[in-house]
Amino acid sequence: DQQVKQNSPSLSVQEGRISILNCDYTNSMFDYFLWYKKYPAEGPTFLISISSIKDKNEDGRFTVFLNKSAKHLSLHIVPSQPGDSAVYFCAASAKSFGNEKLTFGTGTRLTIIP
Amino acid sequence: DTAVSQTPKYLVTQMGNDKSIKCEQNLGHDTMYWYKQDSKKFLKIMFSYNNKELIINETVPNRFSPKSPDKAHLNLHINSLELGDSAVYFCASSLSRVTGVYEQYFGPGTRLTVT
Repeated sequence: DQQVKQNSPSLSVQEGRISILNCDYTNSMFDYFLWYKKYPAEGPTFLISISSIKDKNEDGRFTVFLNKSAKHLSLHIVPSQPGDSAVYFCAASAKSFGNEKLTFGTGTRLTIIP
Repeated sequence: DTAVSQTPKYLVTQMGNDKSIKCEQNLGHDTMYWYKQDSKKFLKIMFSYNNKELIINETVPNRFSPKSPDKAHLNLHINSLELGDSAVYFCASSLSRVTGVYEQYFGPGTRLTVT
């Protein structure tokens, strides 16, 4: 039972444009969400997070939006740069599970076209 | 300076062998994890230790045994390796329980191939 889903396995975006990566979750107990970026042959790198008490968090070119009623979050990258080409994972955790337990989506491969 | 390091990076071995993967973090974190990324790229938690105490133990065969000699190290020992154990294993660490900050920091991964 996959509780965190990234339905787009891949996405191609022109350099300089906005990249929007989507993530859906099914468990309403999740209250903290994270995005990770992964290059080949490396471990995932933390990018940005959001608590369920907020609906938006911004850090430089990266913004995460959370829509709790739809159980949906998205990551916006503006402007997209060639170095953003990587696999992006969303992850979720819940206080009641012990926040240490992250449940990951299957990832979206983002390719930025120069 | 490497924050979370794992050795070895690649491990090729035969079925039935016993092998270990080591992990060390120099971030001063209190919690460490082992994840498995299978052929479908699904990243799933296996174990978590907080200050050398086991706090998460997902449904993992008991051929897998984590050991935490101190809070900077978490090793993974695998007995009687099977073909299905082939995967990339990631170690991670975090400072969640102290700061309430839940970001986990990952090592580079160990690609295990069982032949």
